[in-house]
Amino acid sequence: KAGVTQTPRYLIKTRGQQVTLSCSPISGHRSVSWYQQTPGQGLQFLFEYFSETQRNKGNFPGRFSGRQFSNSRSEMNVSTLELGDSALYLCASSFSETQYFGPGTRLLVL
Amino acid sequence: GIQVEQSPPDLILQEGANSTLRCNFSDSVNNLQWFHQNPWGQLINLFYIPSGTKQNGRLSATTVATERYSLLYISSSQTTDSGVYFCAVTRGNTGKLIFGQGTTLQVKP
Repeated sequence: KAGVTQTPRYLIKTRGQQVTLSCSPISGHRSVSWYQQTPGQGLQFLFEYFSETQRNKGNFPGRFSGRQFSNSRSEMNVSTLELGDSALYLCASSFSETQYFGPGTRLLVL
Repeated sequence: GIQVEQSPPDLILQEGANSTLRCNFSDSVNNLQWFHQNPWGQLINLFYIPSGTKQNGRLSATTVATERYSLLYISSSQTTDSGVYFCAVTRGNTGKLIFGQGTTLQVKP
C-alpha cells in the first residue's frame, strides 16, 4: 500500500495570508490526525478526524481548522498566518491504534 | 494532562555501541509508540508497544505499563541510526498522540 502523502511539501507565505495543506491517508484508514512540530514546542496535536467528523481537537486558536472528505482525505487550513505558525505540519493516518505519518509540509511564514 | 518525559535528551555514540533510551509517562496509557524522525522530518514507526517486549532486528523495546515507563534498545548502532527518537502515548479512545521531547542520537563512524 502507498503511504501517507502530504502536499505541498514546502510552502512560503507572508503574514496575514492563509494556507491549505492536504493529506491523503493510507488506503482503508479512516482516521486522520494533524500535528505541528516546532523547535520550541515540539510535536503538538492539532486535531483528529474520523469518518468526516472532528473527534478531538488540540489547544490551538480558531485560525487553525480542518476537514475530512468522504474518501478520508483531509485538509487543514490556517488563516491570518503569523510568524509563529512557521513549522513542520505532519499528518498521520490510522486503522486501529498504530499511527503512520506522512513526510510533512514545511511552512515558512515571512 | 499526561506528561511524557524522555531521557537522555542527547546521546553521542561510536558506531557499534549499544544504547538505551527511556520514556516515562505520568498516567496509564492504552497506546505507546516509538518513532524515529529522519533528517527530512518524517516520523518512522518503530514499535507499537503498550506493554511487553518486542524486537525488530537490532532494535527492541520494552514497556512496563504498571511502572509507567518504556525502554528502546539499540544494539550495534550504525550511522544511519542517527536522528531523533520519540516516544508518544495516547489515553482513552482517541488518536491524540502526546509526544515526549525526544532523544537526539548521533552515531559517529
